Amino acid sequence: GESVGLHLPTLSVQEGDNSIINCAYSNSASDYFIWYKQESGKGPQFIIDIRSNMDKRQGQRVTVLLNKTVKHLSLQIAATQPGDSAVYFCAENAGFQKLVFGTGTRLLVSP
Amino acid sequence: EAGVTQSPTHLIKTRGQQVTLRCSPISGHTSVYWYQQALGLGLQFLLWYDEGEERNRGNFPPRFSGRQFPNYSSELNVNALELEDSALYLCASSLDGGNSPLHFGNGTRLTVT
Repeated sequence: GESVGLHLPTLSVQEGDNSIINCAYSNSASDYFIWYKQESGKGPQFIIDIRSNMDKRQGQRVTVLLNKTVKHLSLQIAATQPGDSAVYFCAENAGFQKLVFGTGTRLLVSP
Repeated sequence: EAGVTQSPTHLIKTRGQQVTLRCSPISGHTSVYWYQQALGLGLQFLLWYDEGEERNRGNFPPRFSGRQFPNYSSELNVNALELEDSALYLCASSLDGGNSPLHFGNGTRLTVT
């Protein structure tokens, strides 16, 4: 069935380090993937997206990598800041306009 | 530009009651999505509305229903509330269905006692 999962529920890093958050997906037909950031008390906030015809996409301090061979998605955050502390979700377009979300990874950034 | 707005922000109901949650999408967005986020869990897809029609629904019982109005705002109704319905209910809108990012509101926190 459809599922998007995360390998690490919690990731702790020091300020200034680079962070990598990983995500596995199971639907090989998914063609669109998104990373969201959710801070306490708020709704998920769009970070970056990537389509299946791409392997890599860069934004401001963030990079998303897509490996379709092993159905793996990762989010890299450069020079992590305390304000990056949040729960990060990956999501895939599972068809019929439905995004399937993973259970999330909590990123903790220490000063 | 105003984002997705939801009301109310918090709600406490008793088991067996009914509740209506409201959502206004970003101006120009015609698709509205509802998700349930139970404590400690990810987002579970509930419903998708586009142009006033229900286009898809997730694995939820029929007591979860909703509608979309001509101005693209939407309501989510939950009948016969159960304790496990306690969750954050998130509404999102998008410009181009599942091929563009969903933009979320801050949700309605529903507590069923």
